[in-house]
Amino acid sequence: SQQGEEDPQALSIQEGENATMNCSYKTSINNLQWYRQNSGRGLVHLILIRSNEREKHSGRLRVTLDTSKKSSSLLITASRAADTASYFCAHNTDKLIFGTGTRLQVFP
Amino acid sequence: NAGVTQTPKFQVLKTGQSMTLQCAQDMNHNSMYWYRQDPGMGLRLIYYSASEGTTDKGEVPNGYNVSRLNKREFSLRLESAAPSQTSVYFCASIRTRTSPAKNYGYTFGSGTRLTVV
Repeated sequence: SQQGEEDPQALSIQEGENATMNCSYKTSINNLQWYRQNSGRGLVHLILIRSNEREKHSGRLRVTLDTSKKSSSLLITASRAADTASYFCAHNTDKLIFGTGTRLQVFP
Repeated sequence: NAGVTQTPKFQVLKTGQSMTLQCAQDMNHNSMYWYRQDPGMGLRLIYYSASEGTTDKGEVPNGYNVSRLNKREFSLRLESAAPSQTSVYFCASIRTRTSPAKNYGYTFGSGTRLTVV
């Protein structure tokens, strides 16, 4: 399977803390993307990092990419209760392949 | 509102019944995708259509067929539903024609929750 893997599978933190999620994949890629999914809803695109980029920021999100290790991380700084969701990485070759996801719970 | 629309939102089928899941996008996107989501397994690609008139198999195509009816619509058909096809199905689309999703994120529908009994 080409499916990526994420860790941790679940993460619980307090509001204001930082949350870090990691993702690994198996193939060469064009880009890597992160998505959020609130319970019972569709996926929402958060951020995309190209294979020739090493770090990217968007608001409270910071994504890193290490193509030599075939891994990426998503950092959410100063988390809020509204960040509670599942987060998925997805690597792109000629189609988008998703990881297994991290369930983030942020307690007020 | 612009986006990806999936119908129905919920469906219960008996084993052996057939049905078609509908997906339509109004963003003039070229590429469309069908995924299924099962607990603990993320999303797995069933079929995709890189452009109008083309379709290709993804990771888990068995038991499914697709039709890219026109640029807007991409349907997924279960000819003879099985309990293993109980899942949440998501349709997605993206603008670019070549090397799908090279520089853009996908837009997802809100999903169809299918139960096969």
